[in-house]
Amino acid sequence: RKEVEQDPGPFNVPEGATVAFNCTYSNSASQSFFWYRQDCRKEPKLLMSVYSSGNEDGRFTAQLNRASQYISLLIRDSKLSDSATYLCVVNHLNDMRFGAGTRLTVKP
Amino acid sequence: NAGVTQTPKFQVLKTGQSMTLQCAQDMNHEYMSWYRQDPGMGLRLIHYSVGAGITDQGEVPNGYNVSRSTTEDFPLRLLSAAPSQTSVYFCASSYDTGGLNYGYTFGSGTRLTVV
Repeated sequence: RKEVEQDPGPFNVPEGATVAFNCTYSNSASQSFFWYRQDCRKEPKLLMSVYSSGNEDGRFTAQLNRASQYISLLIRDSKLSDSATYLCVVNHLNDMRFGAGTRLTVKP
Repeated sequence: NAGVTQTPKFQVLKTGQSMTLQCAQDMNHEYMSWYRQDPGMGLRLIHYSVGAGITDQGEVPNGYNVSRSTTEDFPLRLLSAAPSQTSVYFCASSYDTGGLNYGYTFGSGTRLTVV
């Protein structure tokens, strides 16, 4: 079993839609969690950090469920500019493990 | 504030050649790591460092060496390049406070092709 698993997608949604991604992790002792956004041929950039049950930043909401060992990312009112690959990252004692990413395409 | 700077951006090597990928950060971050990214496999940790003078192996360390003589610099050396090392390489740095890590800042990557 991979340490961090994500649905690779692709998710193709219209502008204005709400879309949610899930990520499961295997190490129950993991301490912090992140969602990164990666555009084609670019470096990953930090989108959100999750240290307790969840975090919200504008149209983006991240939720953590420690009992079931999954993290979710919800994007409301999708914009064309949200098209990217979203990476789930799980941290245990500064050893960060990345999921393979979920690709999102927002269409007009 | 430059963040994390990687050089070169692109490199083509012949099998058996050696080279060093440079990485420097100006944020005084204690943690630095090297990842490689291959299609469909996500980022995999090669080597990491928790401070100057301290390095350790990640998931895929074979064929690579690192050193951390200063807080700022964390070069990655390919000892004898192989086609399997064709990949995109990212250097990243981070810090933590009270045990909470605040996430990595990545460099812009090095695209390496080994022929």
